[in-house]
Amino acid sequence: QSALTQPASVSGSPGQSITISCTGTSSDVGGYNYVSWYQQHPGKAPKLMIYDVSNRPSGVSNRFSGSKSGNTASLTISGLQAEDEADYYCSSYTSSSTLDYVFGTGTKVTVL
Amino acid sequence: QLQLQESGPGLVKPSETLSLTCTVSGGSISSSSYYWGWIRQPPGKGLEWIGSIYYSGSTYYNPSLKSRVTISVDTSKNQFSLKLSSVTAADTAVYYCARHAQADFQHWGQGTLVTVSS
Repeated sequence: QSALTQPASVSGSPGQSITISCTGTSSDVGGYNYVSWYQQHPGKAPKLMIYDVSNRPSGVSNRFSGSKSGNTASLTISGLQAEDEADYYCSSYTSSSTLDYVFGTGTKVTVL
Repeated sequence: QLQLQESGPGLVKPSETLSLTCTVSGGSISSSSYYWGWIRQPPGKGLEWIGSIYYSGSTYYNPSLKSRVTISVDTSKNQFSLKLSSVTAADTAVYYCARHAQADFQHWGQGTLVTVSS
């Protein structure tokens, strides 16, 4: 069970759009529509931003969107704002026989 | 509003057992269709799912930790617990409890740092 691969860092200017990738295998990201994304500010617990590939929980800005193609999922943040600067983690369900989850390596988003 | 709060020792000696409890308020731990899980994060590193327990009591563990992990639930206290045996320095981390449906960990505790050191 290897961690999903994310870029270590992504940056953008306020108002721009950025995309974070999350690459797995056919046993996790590619095999199920159970990819979620989490935002984590320093010293805080993660916050769910996207679930089931592209669904937003109530209260999450529509500037955040998710998608998936093959074994790679993506999180797009549009209209980048200073408060979006944080670490982002993807996660995927990864088993058909039991419950099992794997997280991504994490991406630091910097707002320039 | 659902709230989760981790509690337990912040320091554990190597080879001993780490024990943490998550107290749930604002909702019943017996609610159907939800899992109650543990996730950890070593300092400066990423997240790792440890395991989850279903409201019915069924347990599910990360294969890499399965031999050392036990998760249990106490519905009378609205709590669930984590035990991790034979700890080493590699188990030093912030431990979070969380509620999830399928793959969406929507409600998290604030986390508690557990350091493994003699």
